[in-house]
Amino acid sequence: KAGVTQTPRYLIKTRGQQVTLSCSPISGHRSVSWYQQTPGQGLQFLFEYFSETQRNKGNFPGRFSGRQFSNSRSEMNVSTLELGDSALYLCASSFLTGGLNTEAFFGQGTRLTVV
Amino acid sequence: GESVGLHLPTLSVQEGDNSIINCAYSNSASDYFIWYKQESGKGPQFIIDIRSNMDKRQGQRVTVLLNKTVKHLSLQIAATQPGDSAVYFCAETDNQGGKLIFGQGTELSVKP
Repeated sequence: KAGVTQTPRYLIKTRGQQVTLSCSPISGHRSVSWYQQTPGQGLQFLFEYFSETQRNKGNFPGRFSGRQFSNSRSEMNVSTLELGDSALYLCASSFLTGGLNTEAFFGQGTRLTVV
Repeated sequence: GESVGLHLPTLSVQEGDNSIINCAYSNSASDYFIWYKQESGKGPQFIIDIRSNMDKRQGQRVTVLLNKTVKHLSLQIAATQPGDSAVYFCAETDNQGGKLIFGQGTELSVKP
């Protein structure tokens, strides 16, 4: 069974540009969450999607957005990039049963560097 | 505000010894807890989970203990091996929209 796949693995962008990251969840998983990981802030929740609907959103500016497709694949977009957006962006997928979360499995992440 | 904190940022143990990593959480509504292991250059790897209706759960060489009275979570690793060296995170959720709140992490170093 394939794990969570994130593409690309590495990305270098210039300030002011925008970027789109992709996440393919484990087959059968309909919940996809995104996290930002930095040395200073640790792992911070960005947003979560389930059945193409955003169910929850973290405390990030509106420059951070996402969406989920009917096949559960998800993308996140960051517009007008800032140097502080440099981070490891992680995607996690989980299978909800009875309304309860089950274990969330993470991908390898996308390392974004803004210069 | 919400927070999940770890008491020890670094832990160094001898190979073969048992390791205990601690975590404190503040959200009383949290009812599901997960421990993750993250190695350099990789995403967090699921180790073990526990729901709030339990106080102990065992896996292969790992045990998670949950004390809801004092909002404390711990991960015990038996017979620690060099391959266990990594950063360990605890995470909590109250099942509101799939949001996990992570602790700051503890770096475990295993000396051969």
